Amino acid sequence: DGGITQSPKYLFRKEGQNVTLSCEQNLNHDAMYWYRQDPGQGLRLIYYSQIVNDFQKGDIAEGYSVSREKKESFPLTVTSAQKNPTAFYLCASSTDRGGGNQPQHFGDGTRLSIL
Amino acid sequence: AQSVTQLGSHVSVSEGALVLLRCNYSSSVPPYLFWYVQYPNQGLQLLLKYTSAATLVKGINGFEAEFKKSETSFHLTKPSAHMSDAAEYFCAVSSGYSTLTFGKGTMLLVSP
Repeated sequence: DGGITQSPKYLFRKEGQNVTLSCEQNLNHDAMYWYRQDPGQGLRLIYYSQIVNDFQKGDIAEGYSVSREKKESFPLTVTSAQKNPTAFYLCASSTDRGGGNQPQHFGDGTRLSIL
Repeated sequence: AQSVTQLGSHVSVSEGALVLLRCNYSSSVPPYLFWYVQYPNQGLQLLLKYTSAATLVKGINGFEAEFKKSETSFHLTKPSAHMSDAAEYFCAVSSGYSTLTFGKGTMLLVSP
């Protein structure tokens, strides 16, 4: 079955450490997205990519980095510059090419906690 | 700029009662609107979408929503709540770009 796979499901980070969250999709979607979810805050966009080797900052990109070397993969690195990284991270993909009328499909998320 | 307001962080209903979850949006252009549902520790699932066709949109699991331009609203309804409907619901808007703006969510609690 086609879908989006996020790994790991739970991740722990020590202070000062970078960690990378994996997101893979086999839906052949062009666009991919990373969101951060905090209780009562909804989803906030971190980064998104509409095409391989190109990506744009979202609303809360500081302390995060991404790459898009392959169409099916969009890993997110949470750097030590992100002072409050504890959150639920969601990856999504879409066939949207800029029109905004296509829904996004979500993975099951990675929960990141600080040790 | 676009924004979404979901009125009520929590809504409680009895099983069999009407479900009404409110969503108001702000958009400088005709919007595309979406409702998603999230169960604990899972991603979001699409319930329904409005993309400028019929103003009354039917979705999965018996949910529907009506786009009202004059009220800038897109409220989600279901005639009869089931226990399995207990989850968090998110309204989202797109103003013609490939990014969505989400509301803060409404937790639906269903009591027997």
